[in-house]
Amino acid sequence: DSGVTQTPKHLITATGQRVTLRCSPRSGDLSVYWYQQSLDQGLQFLIQYYNGEERAKGNILERFSAQQFPDLHSELNLSSLELGDSALYFCASAFSPLGGEQYFGPGTRLTVT
Amino acid sequence: DAKTTQPPSMDCAEGRAANLPCNHSTISGNEYVYWYRQIHSQGPQYIIHGLKNNETNEMASLIITEDRKSSTLILPHATLRDTAVYYCIVRVGNQGGKLIFGQGTELSVKP
Repeated sequence: DSGVTQTPKHLITATGQRVTLRCSPRSGDLSVYWYQQSLDQGLQFLIQYYNGEERAKGNILERFSAQQFPDLHSELNLSSLELGDSALYFCASAFSPLGGEQYFGPGTRLTVT
Repeated sequence: DAKTTQPPSMDCAEGRAANLPCNHSTISGNEYVYWYRQIHSQGPQYIIHGLKNNETNEMASLIITEDRKSSTLILPHATLRDTAVYYCIVRVGNQGGKLIFGQGTELSVKP
């Protein structure tokens, strides 16, 4: 158990819909990262927040957005969903905004039908 | 970040040492070598990292060659639960937080 929690575990929705994925980091960690893992793209970095501020952006689509709240939990919002958005979405946390030692949650499996 | 090359798959007998190689011939002086693993569809798990010296923790040992162009992750007594995809990642230690995952090595530990 990494100490990072993600909800929901599974999500099935239709194309065009909007969903919100939630992540609670390990106690004491200020940095939250979101990654997407699909069969054809592998694990891809989406976005990083540190202590409430956006820190780095990867190949995140404009239809996707995220935020980190004062209690440090984070939400990833996916809108206008397409079939290709079906993937595993992982959240990771770390104490430092710069370090490579990250702790991953169990993931949310999103299926868009 | 330097590019890494890993074999796509390896087998190991249960109880034996698993030696997973990684080539990173273009590594820079300030880049660290990190290892993560992902057991089927679970979140990736941090294993170990190092800069120049060999490192050991409760999970594994990391051997980095003197020229730093390659490294080996050693699981001393592999168990069936070590079956996973192992990722070698090279990154600057204090430059941004994102991890860039390659294809990794799929390790199968067999009884």
